[in-house]
Amino acid sequence: DSGVTQTPKHLITATGQRVTLRCSPRSGDLSVYWYQQSLDQGLQFLIQYYNGEERAKGNILERFSAQQFPDLHSELNLSSLELGDSALYFCASSLGQGNTEAFFGQGTRLTVV
Amino acid sequence: GENVEQHPSTLSVQEGDSAVIKCTYSDSASNYFPWYKQELGKGPQLIIDIRSNVGEKKDQRIAVTLNKTAKHFSLHITETQPEDSAVYFCAAMRGGSYIPTFGRGTSLIVHP
Repeated sequence: DSGVTQTPKHLITATGQRVTLRCSPRSGDLSVYWYQQSLDQGLQFLIQYYNGEERAKGNILERFSAQQFPDLHSELNLSSLELGDSALYFCASSLGQGNTEAFFGQGTRLTVV
Repeated sequence: GENVEQHPSTLSVQEGDSAVIKCTYSDSASNYFPWYKQELGKGPQLIIDIRSNVGEKKDQRIAVTLNKTAKHFSLHITETQPEDSAVYFCAAMRGGSYIPTFGRGTSLIVHP
C-alpha cells in the first residue's frame, strides 16, 4: 500500500458527461501529480500541484481541470467526456517539488460509453 | 523537452534467467532516474532509482547502471522469478524539474 488513496476505483459514464476523480496523498506529502495511462500513450503527465498551487502542466486538455485543497487532497475534473478519454487515471504524491520519490495510487479506471 | 526511449517493449524469460531493460534519454541536464514496476491492476511502484553522481546501484536482485556520457541507463534483474512479471517503466528527471518523463514501458514475462 503506497498510502495514496484514489476514489472511485472504477467509473463508467456516458459521452458528454462530467466526472470528478479524487486523490488523498500520503500523509506529509505536499505535491500531487495526475497522470493518464492509456494503452497507446503510456503514462502521460497531466498536472502537478504543490501545497495548493499549480506548479506544472503537461498534456492536459482544456476540458480537464484540477485543484488541490487546503487539506492537500486533490480532485481532477473531466468534462464533456469523449470515448477517447477512457483510460486509467493515476494520482501520485511526493514530499517535495522534484527529484524525490513519487508514490502512486491504485488508479481510477474511467470508461466512457 | 526530455524524451525517454525504452527497449524492449516486451521481454520473455525463463525463471532463473537475467533480464535487462534499457533506456536512453535526451536531456543532458537530467540527473535523477527512477524505475517503476506496475503489476496488473495496481499503480506503478518505485523499485530502484539512481542519481547522476553514481554509476551503479544494487538492491538484492535488481541493479541499475547509468552512463551519463552516452545518456543511457539500464535495469538488471537477476535470478528472475514469476512474481517479477509486470510492466517496468524507466523515467528521467532534470534538476529543478518537478516532473519525471516516463518511457513507454516493458512488459516482462517470467515463465516458470
